[in-house]
Amino acid sequence: EAQVTQNPRYLITVTGKKLTVTCSQNMNHEYMSWYRQDPGLGLRQIYYSMNVEVTDKGDVPEGYKVSRKEKRNFPLILESPSPNQTSLYFCASSLSGGPDRPSGNTIYFGEGSWLTVV
Amino acid sequence: AQSVAQPEDQVNVAEGNPLTVKCTYSVSGNPYLFWYVQYPNRGLQFLLKYITGDNLVKGSYGFEAEFNKSQTSFHLKKPSALVSDSALYFCAVRDRGSTLGRLYFGRGTQLTVWP
Repeated sequence: EAQVTQNPRYLITVTGKKLTVTCSQNMNHEYMSWYRQDPGLGLRQIYYSMNVEVTDKGDVPEGYKVSRKEKRNFPLILESPSPNQTSLYFCASSLSGGPDRPSGNTIYFGEGSWLTVV
Repeated sequence: AQSVAQPEDQVNVAEGNPLTVKCTYSVSGNPYLFWYVQYPNRGLQFLLKYITGDNLVKGSYGFEAEFNKSQTSFHLKKPSALVSDSALYFCAVRDRGSTLGRLYFGRGTQLTVWP
């Protein structure tokens, strides 16, 4: 079954304690991305990756890091979480439509990771 | 700059009535347009998309959307609403010429269908 898998689904952590949210897709997609969802703000992109070892900032990258060492995995790292990073996080993936250019391919989302920083 | 507007935070309709969830966009050039649905405690599920061709796009669960280039709109519609359609709906746009891979989302519209 084609899917995007995130872990953990739910996490409560304390300020400053490093954490990683993993994301894995089994569709051989080149493009992967992280979003956060906050009430009244919709979904905002944090980071994205066009392929292995190619990553770039989205709209709200501050306080986050990512890596893309393998095609299927795209972990989101919070080096020193703060309460304003309490949010619902989504990983997403899609095919890239040509030589490193996105197209109208559908983006598939994981089930989401609820993160609370206290 | 690319942007997506969903002017209604909430839409309430009675079961069996037609429903419309509005979306307008602002992008340079011709966009790819998407609708996603989010059920409580779930991820976003793809409903439909407009790439090219016929302006009326049909998608999952009986939903359809009409692309209107002159009005820069992509409203989501369903002829007869079901209680199970109650969910949060997101419109999204992707710049056709973008090399950045970004999908820009609206803020979402909460659809409630009452029995």
